[in-house]
Amino acid sequence: QLQLQESGPGLVKPSETLSLTCTVSGGSISSSSDYWGWIRQPPGKGLEWIASIYYTGNTYYNPSLKSRFTISVDTSKNQFSLRLRSVTAADTAVYYCARLAFYGDRFDYWGQGALVTVSS
Amino acid sequence: EIVMTQSPVTLSVSPGERATLSCRASQSVSSNLAWYQQKPGQAPRLLMYGASTRATGIPARFSGSGSGTEFTLTISSLQSEDFAVYYCQQYSDWPRTFGQGTKVEI
Repeated sequence: QLQLQESGPGLVKPSETLSLTCTVSGGSISSSSDYWGWIRQPPGKGLEWIASIYYTGNTYYNPSLKSRFTISVDTSKNQFSLRLRSVTAADTAVYYCARLAFYGDRFDYWGQGALVTVSS
Repeated sequence: EIVMTQSPVTLSVSPGERATLSCRASQSVSSNLAWYQQKPGQAPRLLMYGASTRATGIPARFSGSGSGTEFTLTISSLQSEDFAVYYCQQYSDWPRTFGQGTKVEI
């Protein structure tokens, strides 16, 4: 059974850089048919797709979120990561990592989510 | 960007009743649409993809229909565990986009 687990700091100060990692177990991140991605959900609000990556390093980003995000993959560790620079209070959210099955279509496996609060 | 609009925002129903949720895309997404269920404090769960294919383990009381720009998720007889927020998501184009959600409540 595929499992994803987010890790990272729960609290980040404004203007700092947030780093999150998703560890994949029970399957390979180098699967030829899967993309991997990050989605966030501000408290009490809906889901927002941030970025996705293929094991070769091919990436897609949400243009609405500008260019503060960077997604990367480490196949040797079966992990992928998200960096967000210059955080503000508006970045406070639960951050989910997920697998996008079938070359980036539906999100079929999700991590439990990591709450990140931006506050001084 | 393809904008997904769900209606209603909140749907009040009783256990055993039928629930019909709608999702509209700002342009055609063909059948490249998924539905998710999210309960408080939990990650979303994939219910449906390809507009009408149930994901693994999803009960038959959930059904999906539609193509192009208009989609429907139907729960034929609501069980207590079905009260949750439901999201649609298109995967016809990047960026992947979600609807704002429909809350199904008692």
